[in-house]
Amino acid sequence: AQKITQTQPGMFVQEKEAVTLDCTYDTSDPSYGLFWYKQPSSGEMIFLIYQGSYDQQNATEGRYSLNFQKARKSANLVISASQLGDSAMYFCAMRSNNFNKFYFGSGTKLNVKP
Amino acid sequence: NAGVTQTPKFQVLKTGQSMTLQCAQDMNHNSMYWYRQDPGMGLRLIYYSASEGTTDKGEVPNGYNVSRLNKREFSLRLESAAPSQTSVYFCASSPLPRDEKLFFGSGTQLSVL
Repeated sequence: AQKITQTQPGMFVQEKEAVTLDCTYDTSDPSYGLFWYKQPSSGEMIFLIYQGSYDQQNATEGRYSLNFQKARKSANLVISASQLGDSAMYFCAMRSNNFNKFYFGSGTKLNVKP
Repeated sequence: NAGVTQTPKFQVLKTGQSMTLQCAQDMNHNSMYWYRQDPGMGLRLIYYSASEGTTDKGEVPNGYNVSRLNKREFSLRLESAAPSQTSVYFCASSPLPRDEKLFFGSGTQLSVL
């Protein structure tokens, strides 16, 4: 069975500081994809970053980077230089390549303090 | 450039009533999904359709039915709504290539009284 675990229900970070949101996953699929989405209070789901299981390098997208440790089955999101607009719910997700299903974690609510 | 369109945005039902949530995408995606989002539980997959003409159960299919009407449209039906189905429902789609993400609709907030 596929499972995504986000152990931080809520986090605070000071503006301009970096923050790491944790994500671990469990799968027996040899090939899979890992994603992070942001959900602001308005409710829409915004794609942030993607990491393929066979990618050798960690993915980066602007201020977002994904710290991928395959042996530990972790895919942590690092946000550098936090901004007030980063306050939102963040979801880690995994796609099973065998079945094209996407599984989500329970989310982490990030609050950025001025 | 509509992307994934869900209707309605809000709905209130009484226990036992039925309704259909509509979803359409204009990106020629093969795969479509229905999720529900509940506080503290993230998004849970209800049903998905890997391609036109196929549907399969997800993690929480009980109490729901789906129809993949054509490549564009994927509807979710509640035959006899229950208060436990109060949730925010998201439709999403994805093309088949493996590194492609999910594209989400704006969500439907459903309350069952």
